[in-house]
Amino acid sequence: SAVISQKPSRDICQRGTSLTIQCQVDSQVTMMFWYRQQPGQSLTLIATANQGSEATYESGFVIDKFPISRPNLTFSTLTVSNMSPEDSSIYLCSVSYGRYNEQFFGPGTRLTVL
Amino acid sequence: LAKTTQPISMDSYEGQEVNITCSHNNIATNDYITWYQQFPSQGPRFIIQGYKTKVTNEVASLFIPADRKSSTLSLPRVSLSDTAVYYCLVGDGSASKIIFGSGTRLSIRP
Repeated sequence: SAVISQKPSRDICQRGTSLTIQCQVDSQVTMMFWYRQQPGQSLTLIATANQGSEATYESGFVIDKFPISRPNLTFSTLTVSNMSPEDSSIYLCSVSYGRYNEQFFGPGTRLTVL
Repeated sequence: LAKTTQPISMDSYEGQEVNITCSHNNIATNDYITWYQQFPSQGPRFIIQGYKTKVTNEVASLFIPADRKSSTLSLPRVSLSDTAVYYCLVGDGSASKIIFGSGTRLSIRP
């Protein structure tokens, strides 16, 4: 299995500011994914991050709002820019790994925007 | 990516067998069926994956009929700790993105 850590685990931010979330994996992986999960809801895929190329964003998500970096095969960051209260959510990163290419998820970052 | 349909919620009692059915009418020939479990305040966790017939591991069994248009996740003798949201997903099993549906919220009572 892959072990994933995220920083910070939670944060409270003021509207208009930006927060960068870090995701670290203990193995080299090709693809990393960023999801958002609002309370009581399912997960929504934000983007797929491949090392050495631009991230691929899902419908409704844009690079200016959620810039992603993927400098190497074990690390990625997601920035939530110009935050508003609607961005309050849990942000999770995941990787595909293992026999079934199953996804392993980080513990999530709980973001509250005031 | 094939769309999946699951019951929104289910209730059961400790010691019972729980079966959660997922419908995926538009499943493609090269698609696999995968189930994830999510506890509160945690990311989803892989439970089981299958292509056809029956797959069993230490956690659950997965039953897939011949037409593959549905699947059933079976949890034997559930306990309170099995209270979670269970997601059924369909995809080609590659390391590509997966899209989560609404999931089934399972509540286990004493």
